[in-house]
Amino acid sequence: QTVVTQEPSFSVSPGGTVTLTCGLSSGSVSTGYYPSWYQQTPGQAPRTLIYDTNIRSSGVPDRFSGSILGNKAALTITGAQADDESDYYCVLYMGSGIWVFGGGTKVTVL
Amino acid sequence: QVQLVESGGGVVQPGRSLRLSCAASGFTFSTYGIHWVRQAPGKGLEWVAFIWYDGNTKSYADSMKGRFTISRDNSKNTLYLQMHSLRVEDTATYYCTRDPGRKPTVQYCFDYWGQGTLVTVSS
Repeated sequence: QTVVTQEPSFSVSPGGTVTLTCGLSSGSVSTGYYPSWYQQTPGQAPRTLIYDTNIRSSGVPDRFSGSILGNKAALTITGAQADDESDYYCVLYMGSGIWVFGGGTKVTVL
Repeated sequence: QVQLVESGGGVVQPGRSLRLSCAASGFTFSTYGIHWVRQAPGKGLEWVAFIWYDGNTKSYADSMKGRFTISRDNSKNTLYLQMHSLRVEDTATYYCTRDPGRKPTVQYCFDYWGQGTLVTVSS
């Protein structure tokens, strides 16, 4: 079974830039997987950040951007702020009505 | 505004059944597909199931197939998840979340989320 991979953790300085990636254990991520990204803080429901590779959800600051980098989907936070400290999840559409989440990346801002 | 409110969670013994509900408001429920997504304590998100706007097409994660059934009642603006043969590893917060594509399209992502309902499977 295909596994969706994400870095377990990342640390970024306030004002810095960090790029999280979302890959496949076998193969490359393309726009046809409709990658999307979600932010979650402890005890809260997820919040939608990016869908369809690079479209920001309503109300999401433009410091969050999505793209395809090489063979992975990517979420870039430019000018990180303290309240960006969260868990970030990507999800890929695998076809045939199946979606798979990555394991999540814990981002620390310090 | 769009609201999704889950209910039906609780403590249940292994092997028993439970039905979760998700009450929707603030949008035309019958024109959107809806997912269930779960999260075990301290773990990541896991996609569970999806049902198209008309209820005629459903899909499930492999680990849930055959034990879980997703359904909807568009006249009541409510989504359901019937869970059978529950296992300790099904312990999780269960979220309902909407696909933003209006019928007949699907956008392959999630926009609005409920706050979740906790299911604990324990003897």
